[in-house]
Amino acid sequence: DAKTTQPPSMDCAEGRAANLPCNHSTISGNEYVYWYRQIHSQGPQYIIHGLKNNETNEMASLIITEDRKSSTLILPHATLRDTAVYYCIVRSNFGNEKLTFGTGTRLTIIP
Amino acid sequence: DTGVSQNPRHKITKRGQNVTFRCDPISEHNRLYWYRQTLGQGPEFLTYFQNEAQLEKSRLLSDRFSAERPKGSFSTLEIQRTEQGDSAMYLCASSLDRAQYFGPGTRLTVT
Repeated sequence: DAKTTQPPSMDCAEGRAANLPCNHSTISGNEYVYWYRQIHSQGPQYIIHGLKNNETNEMASLIITEDRKSSTLILPHATLRDTAVYYCIVRSNFGNEKLTFGTGTRLTIIP
Repeated sequence: DTGVSQNPRHKITKRGQNVTFRCDPISEHNRLYWYRQTLGQGPEFLTYFQNEAQLEKSRLLSDRFSAERPKGSFSTLEIQRTEQGDSAMYLCASSLDRAQYFGPGTRLTVT
C-alpha cells in the first residue's frame, strides 16, 4: 500500500470547518483513500473513503486532487466531539485486506 | 446498537499467564480482523479471517498468539505465556465490503 503523510497536529475553532490534509504521492490506480478517526481510548471509527471522485456523507467530505496524489478531509462544522486522531490510509481493494495506520493527525477543536 | 463488541474491556494479568479475548462482529459481516495498538502508535494489523478461514497473519503474531473463528461468527484471540511487551489495546474489526468497523478494544496490562 502507498505511504501517506499527515501533519502531526492541527487546531480548529469550534463551529469552523476543519480541513485535514493528506499526501499520498505514490498512490496507484486501484488504491482507495480511507479516513478513520480515533477518539481517546476508543476503537477507530470509519469516516469516509473514495477512489477519485469527491465524496460526501453525513460525517464529512473527502476531496481528492485530480492527480490523486493528495486529499483533504473536511469536517464542515467542527464540534468539541470531533477532537480525535485522524488517520488517512491508502488501501487496495484487490487481495490486501488490512489497514496500515500511520501516526495520523491529532485534531484539537478549540472552544 | 449492533456494532462490534469485545470482551473483556480490560484485563490485568501476571507475566506468564494465558489470556483470551473475544470479539463479536457485526451480524452478517464475513470478514474479521485483529489489530494491536500500543501507546502513541496507530493500530497494527495482526490477522484476518474470511468466514472461518484465517487468510493472513502478520509477523507480529508470534507463536504465543493464536486466533480462531470456529463458526465464522465470533472470534477469540489467545496469548500464551504473556510478556510485559504484550501490554497493549487489542482491537477487533469486521467488514462486509470495503469499510472496517472497529470494536471498543480490550486493554491488556501485563504486570
